[in-house]
Amino acid sequence: KAGVTQTPRYLIKTRGQQVTLSCSPISGHRSVSWYQQTPGQGLQFLFEYFSETQRNKGNFPGRFSGRQFSNSRSEMNVSTLELGDSALYLCASSGTANNYGYTFGSGTRLTVV
Amino acid sequence: AQSVTQLDSQVPVFEEAPVELRCNYSSSVSVYLFWYVQYPNQGLQLLLKYLSGSTLVESINGFEAEFNKSQTSFHLRKPSVHISDTAEYFCAVSDPENTGNQFYFGTGTSLTVIP
Repeated sequence: KAGVTQTPRYLIKTRGQQVTLSCSPISGHRSVSWYQQTPGQGLQFLFEYFSETQRNKGNFPGRFSGRQFSNSRSEMNVSTLELGDSALYLCASSGTANNYGYTFGSGTRLTVV
Repeated sequence: AQSVTQLDSQVPVFEEAPVELRCNYSSSVSVYLFWYVQYPNQGLQLLLKYLSGSTLVESINGFEAEFNKSQTSFHLRKPSVHISDTAEYFCAVSDPENTGNQFYFGTGTSLTVIP
């Protein structure tokens, strides 16, 4: 069965712009989480969604937002991009309400110039 | 909040030698523990996890990790490494009772297997 699909794989944006990243979970999975990975800060939790509801949010500014649709697909949006937002953004999905079996996608590499 | 410490940022090891990647976490409350592996330009792949029960957990590719509650450690070991094990390894903890399904990751250990 298909894995977690993140689109696009690579993205280059200019400071001040906004960006939307997409995540399609494994079919039947209802739980989706997002993480930011940078060389300096490592892997940091952004948000968790389950059945269209945000269950948890990490310590990121309000410029970072997300949502989940009825088909479990999720998007995250970053407004007013800063150079420090350059990172690999990873999405993970699970078939249960917990994280016993999170499967990660390959990520979206965002570069802000 | 939990914190996870991976004591070695880089570990070089010769092929067929044993290896141990160390991981300590901050709290001894009930936690779930995970090891993930990341190959270049890819996402994270789950290696193994400890949820409850036996403190020694094994993966299908020869890795094992032991949960030590008193030392708050979850070190990853493999008795004989292969070139294909070269990758970045991340230890992760979740604290379901307090912070739900959020993972706290260590900073990673880069394992390089030398032929």
